[in-house]
Amino acid sequence: SQELEQSPQSLIVQEGKNLTINCTSSKTLYGLYWYKQKYGEGLIFLMMLQKGGEEKSHEKITAKLDEKKQQSSLHITASQPSHAGIYLCRSQGGSEKLVFGKGTKLTVNP
Amino acid sequence: KAGVTQTPRYLIKTRGQQVTLSCSPISGHRSVSWYQQTPGQGLQFLFEYFSETQRNKGNFPGRFSGRQFSNSRSEMNVSTLELGDSALYLCASSLLLAGGEQYFGPGTRLTVT
Repeated sequence: SQELEQSPQSLIVQEGKNLTINCTSSKTLYGLYWYKQKYGEGLIFLMMLQKGGEEKSHEKITAKLDEKKQQSSLHITASQPSHAGIYLCRSQGGSEKLVFGKGTKLTVNP
Repeated sequence: KAGVTQTPRYLIKTRGQQVTLSCSPISGHRSVSWYQQTPGQGLQFLFEYFSETQRNKGNFPGRFSGRQFSNSRSEMNVSTLELGDSALYLCASSLLLAGGEQYFGPGTRLTVT
């Protein structure tokens, strides 16, 4: 079955710094979803990537999908305390069961 | 449009008891998925219901069950609770089956003592 590995597991950055979170799949990646979770709360949908090479941006967050590497990256530019939380990637689903990565905990220090 | 609601938000139960959690999806969404989230295992898929039928199932024991009603509201039940069942239980609704954009509820925090 498919597994999604996220790196790093946790990240502490100073406000204003850029950062990147990776999500690597054990199988071919046809599509990927990114979510953000505040501790103990539900997940908020960030972005969906469906095609290799696709890149999407929302405010200061950019996500890319690299089919060859079976990997997606999430990049935050000029981080703010509001970016703090847990970032999770999720597989496309379909014939494979829905799988989530274990998450990357982001702390942004003011 | 109202979001996904889950009740109750917090629950404390004793080992051996059973519990029922409820989830009301976004209006018009016919798929409801349930997840268990723990610090050690992360977010794990329990099952998915679509049009009152279970369509997908994760690797959980039979103590975990669910159902969906004609109005798409869903319940999940855990019988003979174990300490290891303590977790945040999340439900998510979506228009499509097996994937697609999911909208999550705030979760039910279950503590088993």
